[in-house]
Amino acid sequence: DIQMTQSPSTLSASVGDRVTITCRASQSISSWLAWYQQKPGKAPKLLIYKASSLESGVPSRFSGSGSGTEFTLTISSLQPDDFATYYCQQYNSYSPLPFGQGTKVEIK
Amino acid sequence: EVQLVESGGGLVQPGGSLRLSCAASGFTFSSYSMNWVRQAPGKGLEWVSYISSSSSTIYYADSVKGRFTISRDNAKNSLYLQMNSLRAEDTAVYYCARDPPAIKPAALFDYWGQGTLVTVSS
Repeated sequence: DIQMTQSPSTLSASVGDRVTITCRASQSISSWLAWYQQKPGKAPKLLIYKASSLESGVPSRFSGSGSGTEFTLTISSLQPDDFATYYCQQYNSYSPLPFGQGTKVEIK
Repeated sequence: EVQLVESGGGLVQPGGSLRLSCAASGFTFSSYSMNWVRQAPGKGLEWVSYISSSSSTIYYADSVKGRFTISRDNAKNSLYLQMNSLRAEDTAVYYCARDPPAIKPAALFDYWGQGTLVTVSS
C-alpha cells in the first residue's frame, strides 16, 4: 500500500504569511494527488486535485505543485479563514489510508 | 446545490450492527460513484468503501472487509453502509463522499456529507 507522509504536523503562522505544506508518497503516484481543508466539527473540503488543479470556488491564494512522490500545498497569504487542518490524499490506487496524517495550521 | 446527508449513527455494543444511510440531492446520483470515509475522534481520515454508479464495482478497506457492506438505491438517491460485528476501533464519524466522474485510477472526494457518529462501546 502507498503511504502518505505530511510535514510538518503542526504549523504556527500569522495572517499574511506564506505557508507551505509538504506531502510525500512512498512510491510514485504521478499527479494523482488532492488536498483538503478541514475545520473542527466539519467535513473536509476539496481544494486541489490532480496535484495542481484548483477546485471551483477555492480562492486563488491556494496552489499545489509536484509530481511523482513529492508535493506541496502553498497558501500565498494566510487569511483568518485558513486556520484549519489540511490533508493530502493519493488517488493513484485504492488503499485504506490514502490520506496523509494532516497538518494543523494554527495562529502564531 | 449538492447535498449529502448521513443518518443512522449512534451507540452500539461491540458485536452489534448498524446501518448508515446517505441521502443525496442536487445532482444526478445514478451517474456518480460514492464512498464512505471515516474519522476516529481526534484522528485522521480513513477510506472505508467504494461503490460504482451501477453497483458493479465495490471495494473495501481490509479493516472492514467481511463485516461491512456498501450498497445503493439509485431510485431513492441513497447510499448505505451495513456494519456488522462492530468493534471499538470502528468508533468514528462516518462521511459519505461523492467521487467525480473523471478518468482516474482511484476515488477522489469532491463533496462530503456532514457525517454521522458511530460509537461502539459497552
